[in-house]
Amino acid sequence: DTEVTQTPKHLVMGMTNKKSLKCEQHMGHRAMYWYKQKAKKPPELMFVYSYEKLSINESVPSRFSPECPNSSLLNLHLHALQPEDSALYLCASSQGVGLMGTEAFFGQGTRLTVV
Amino acid sequence: ELKVEQNPLFLSMQEGKNYTIYCNYSTTSDRLYWYRQDPGKSLESLFVLLSNGAVKQEGRLMASLDTKARLSTLHITAAVHDLSATYFCAVDRRTGNQFYFGTGTSLTVIP
Repeated sequence: DTEVTQTPKHLVMGMTNKKSLKCEQHMGHRAMYWYKQKAKKPPELMFVYSYEKLSINESVPSRFSPECPNSSLLNLHLHALQPEDSALYLCASSQGVGLMGTEAFFGQGTRLTVV
Repeated sequence: ELKVEQNPLFLSMQEGKNYTIYCNYSTTSDRLYWYRQDPGKSLESLFVLLSNGAVKQEGRLMASLDTKARLSTLHITAAVHDLSATYFCAVDRRTGNQFYFGTGTSLTVIP
């Protein structure tokens, strides 16, 4: 099973709303990631969790708040977003930070629209 | 600042033709990945290249890695329409699994 599951698939939220994106994997992977992808652009790394601890934050605004409740789950809490935050948000996992040759497996993404 | 650049950015090719996509990166790395993305879809892993001189082939696609030149290539042989997609290379920094993506190459194969 090489599946990373993201919910919801689509989300429309107002600028004053609070919402959360969820990601789950059952491959025993110890590294999990959030990426943001705008149309016709490459995915941009936002956060990396390694063994349930935040190891990388690529200077992401505080209106995005990641959480890793356990080794299988990754959340992204959203608050007071701006229309320019509308994008495809991709979750990924890999065997572990520092381990050789472990590609990242991606979920189907959440298409977020901020109105 | 890490840069991962691909060229061309857009590629339109006829069925049956061959072509190569290039991926140049600015950091020291032994690990290079190729992904495919169909419109509106997620990313599918194609190749994992782990060392200098690595070559992998799957069907009509072949990927190679030259870590000294910081260059990877994705060669397409006898293109078919089903290969139309956007192709990304991704570099993994030596400090760990941090996948930084190239600019992408949008490939259209014309019958």
